Amino acid sequence: DIVMTQSPSSLAVSAGDKVTMSCKSSQSLLSSEYQGNYLSWFQQKPGQSPKLLISLASTRETGVPDRFIGSGSGTDFTLTISSVQAEDLAVYYCEQYYSYPLTFGSGTKLEIK
Amino acid sequence: EVQLVESGGGLVKPGSSLKLSCVASGFTFSSYGMHWIRQAPKKGLEWIALIYYDSSNKYYADSVKGRFTISRDNSKNTLYLEMNSLRSEDTAMYYCAKGRLADYWGQGVMVTVSS
Repeated sequence: DIVMTQSPSSLAVSAGDKVTMSCKSSQSLLSSEYQGNYLSWFQQKPGQSPKLLISLASTRETGVPDRFIGSGSGTDFTLTISSVQAEDLAVYYCEQYYSYPLTFGSGTKLEIK
Repeated sequence: EVQLVESGGGLVKPGSSLKLSCVASGFTFSSYGMHWIRQAPKKGLEWIALIYYDSSNKYYADSVKGRFTISRDNSKNTLYLEMNSLRSEDTAMYYCAKGRLADYWGQGVMVTVSS
């Protein structure tokens, strides 16, 4: 099984700050056939279901603000929020869909000071 | 508008069975694979099963393999999860999610396994 490791487990920032969080996979998520990294980022706000933010490591879903930026390739990935807003308070999960079983990271909890 | 509505959860004793349903609307259900994903209280997300659009393939997490069965009825736009031999560690919110990317999720249904 592919193990997904997220860091940090939590961070507290002020509105307007730039935030980066990491996700590392135990195997490459790069598909040579389709030339894409099979890595998604989800946002789960308190009391809500998770929401897909980014797929293929860097493709934002429709309606996701452009302050959310996914990057990386192979085994190392990053989610950057360029200017954090109060409504970004949430837990962020990465997930690999390269192979079954699909696996999630343990999450990064974002708190707003 | 895509909607996924789960039902069938509740409080059950260890060793018992339960069947969850997820009714889909707002998209062509028969064209998409579907997932079940769960979240234990105060814990992270755990993928547990996927079924192809035509039921031709099914995949399971090791933690539920042999105990849980994913199925679907495309004529009813409904996804199912049959859960047998339930354990306390199966206590969680269970979500259904659409498509390979899980781009839409339901609101979840709670399953509590306790004596």
